[in-house]
Amino acid sequence: EAEVAQSPRYKITEKSQAVAFWCDPISGHATLYWYRQILGQGPELLVQFQDESVVDDSQLPKDRFSAERLKGVDSTLKIQPAELGDSAMYLCASSFRTAGSHRNFGPGTRLLVL
Amino acid sequence: SQKIEQNSEALNIQEGKTATLTCNYTNYSPAYLQWYRQDPGRGPVFLLLIRENEKEKRKERLKVTFDTTLKQSLFHITASQPADSATYLCALESNNNDMRFGAGTRLTVKP
Repeated sequence: EAEVAQSPRYKITEKSQAVAFWCDPISGHATLYWYRQILGQGPELLVQFQDESVVDDSQLPKDRFSAERLKGVDSTLKIQPAELGDSAMYLCASSFRTAGSHRNFGPGTRLLVL
Repeated sequence: SQKIEQNSEALNIQEGKTATLTCNYTNYSPAYLQWYRQDPGRGPVFLLLIRENEKEKRKERLKVTFDTTLKQSLFHITASQPADSATYLCALESNNNDMRFGAGTRLTVKP
């Protein structure tokens, strides 16, 4: 069965440094999501793409976070500069376009900011 | 404000018993409700979806109910096994694809 790919799986960085995460969704999935999950909480949406367009980035801290999906396939999430409070699991998911389609999550990137 | 509450942080049961997890919500009118399983250090995995006009959905040992009057969903695992130990997340989705997750309930099934 097709899976969402993410890299790296783990990232340790110092505060004020830049970090980037990559996601390759399931082929044919038009919608791509980036979530942040803090330990003990549910995933929270950071940004949602429909093809190459951002449809929801209302919860993305735009002063330090950026996301792109240039060709409507894979995507990159960047944090610059990283802060201690950014330590979390960053999950990428993809789905078909319509509501009522479940999310297919990748394995996540565990970020630790020192 | 919208709120999703899952009954307790942790639930411990004996192998073979039925596990029942609760998801309550307020200030929300979801068109769909989904349940996911998440193992430590991994991404959530989809289990079941139920629509607002459906009362119950089953899949093997899993059963989900959805009561839009009570604003509650119940998730049952019958004949539970130690391999069912994980965190279970409920997620509410509106018709415009907006989805919110609960904090999850950590289930431990003891042999």
